[in-house]
Amino acid sequence: DVKVTQSSRYLVKRTGEKVFLECVQDMDHENMFWYRQDPGLGLRLIYFSYDVKMKEKGDIPEGYSVSREKKERFSLILESASTNQTSMYLCASSSWTAVVSPLHFGNGTRLTVT
Amino acid sequence: AQTVTQSQPEMSVQEAETVTLSCTYDTSESDYYLFWYKQPPSRQMILVIRQEAYKQQNATENRFSVNFQKAAKSFSLKISDSQLGDAAMYFCAYRLCAGNNRKLIWGLGTSLAVNP
Repeated sequence: DVKVTQSSRYLVKRTGEKVFLECVQDMDHENMFWYRQDPGLGLRLIYFSYDVKMKEKGDIPEGYSVSREKKERFSLILESASTNQTSMYLCASSSWTAVVSPLHFGNGTRLTVT
Repeated sequence: AQTVTQSQPEMSVQEAETVTLSCTYDTSESDYYLFWYKQPPSRQMILVIRQEAYKQQNATENRFSVNFQKAAKSFSLKISDSQLGDAAMYFCAYRLCAGNNRKLIWGLGTSLAVNP
């Protein structure tokens, strides 16, 4: 089974801190995604990556950046955390070569910015 | 515009009964994949069922089946013999096949409660 691991389940940070959320997948998937999930707003795509060192903006990239130095690892960076970035963050990966490739999700990181 | 509408924010079903969650979507493309995902209270999102738009036959996975109506752009999920473990948030989504499209378009979800 595909395993997507997010480094932290819960995280509490202060306003203005630089925050790193890490995600690792073990199935050699080309695609990796970062979503945030908020009640009533569903899942919103922040960034995704389809190859090492490649990245594309999603629907809400403002205030975030990403890094993909290795195929299995995709990091989400909050350059200067703000209270409106308090949310659940979900990482996912998928294969591009599979015909109908679903997303495989991590357990999520609940980030609170105070 | 590419959108997915799940018109039922919350639903409930009695254990062992059948429930149908609705999903409609909007796209001008003809080739796409459709998905239902489940997110239990433990939070990990998992795939329930998927459907290729070019297939007329409705997908089934054990107690889960879909009613795919391409002309109506409808993709409902039927859960038969509901179990307590089916209680979760359910999300409908689709992805276009064309080009290098990797993004899913998501609905806002339906929260399903299963009553014992």
